[in-house]
Amino acid sequence: DAGVIQSPRHEVTEMGQEVTLRCKPISGHNSLFWYRQTMMRGLELLIYFNNNVPIDDSGMPEDRFSAKMPNASFSTLKIQPSEPRDSAVYFCASSLSETSTDTQYFGPGTRLTVL
Amino acid sequence: GQQVMQIPQYQHVQEGEDFTTYCNSSTTLSNIQWYKQRPGGHPVFLIQLVKSGEVKKQKRLTFQFGEAKKNSSLHITATQTTDVGTYFCAGSYIPTFGRGTSLIVHP
Repeated sequence: DAGVIQSPRHEVTEMGQEVTLRCKPISGHNSLFWYRQTMMRGLELLIYFNNNVPIDDSGMPEDRFSAKMPNASFSTLKIQPSEPRDSAVYFCASSLSETSTDTQYFGPGTRLTVL
Repeated sequence: GQQVMQIPQYQHVQEGEDFTTYCNSSTTLSNIQWYKQRPGGHPVFLIQLVKSGEVKKQKRLTFQFGEAKKNSSLHITATQTTDVGTYFCAGSYIPTFGRGTSLIVHP
């Protein structure tokens, strides 16, 4: 079975550009999570969805960040405009349960570099 | 808000030595999960503890959940180079990850 799929794996962009990260969760999973990982701040939960509905977006840094889940098999995280401090590895994870206490399966991550 | 603290941040050991990382929460946790992230990789689920005082073992790894459900530990016996990575705990309803403990094993 395919795990969580993320694209692109690497993204290099210039400050001010729009960046869109994509995630395909494991089929049948009901919850989807977006995380950001940096050396300084560790692994931060940005937002999570339950049955395609955003449940908690309190971790989203600011209005430049937005996330959508139009259907059960696809989610996007968009940064517009991007800034150098957004450079990080962004992980998407999914879990089977409708509660966030279930095992999370992480994708390989997108390494974002904003110049 | 809830905070999950992990110590130590880094741990260097000689291969064959034991290793322990500790996870402490400011609030009572409904459960705790442990993940391992290899260098350059993504977090991979290891185990979940739910009950107060619970102890679970996976080969050389022993996981404990405190009686008050506010702390947890992961102990590795006789470390191997394959144990290298960062170990994260994550607690409660909205997953809050600790900063992780990076284990470096010297052959």
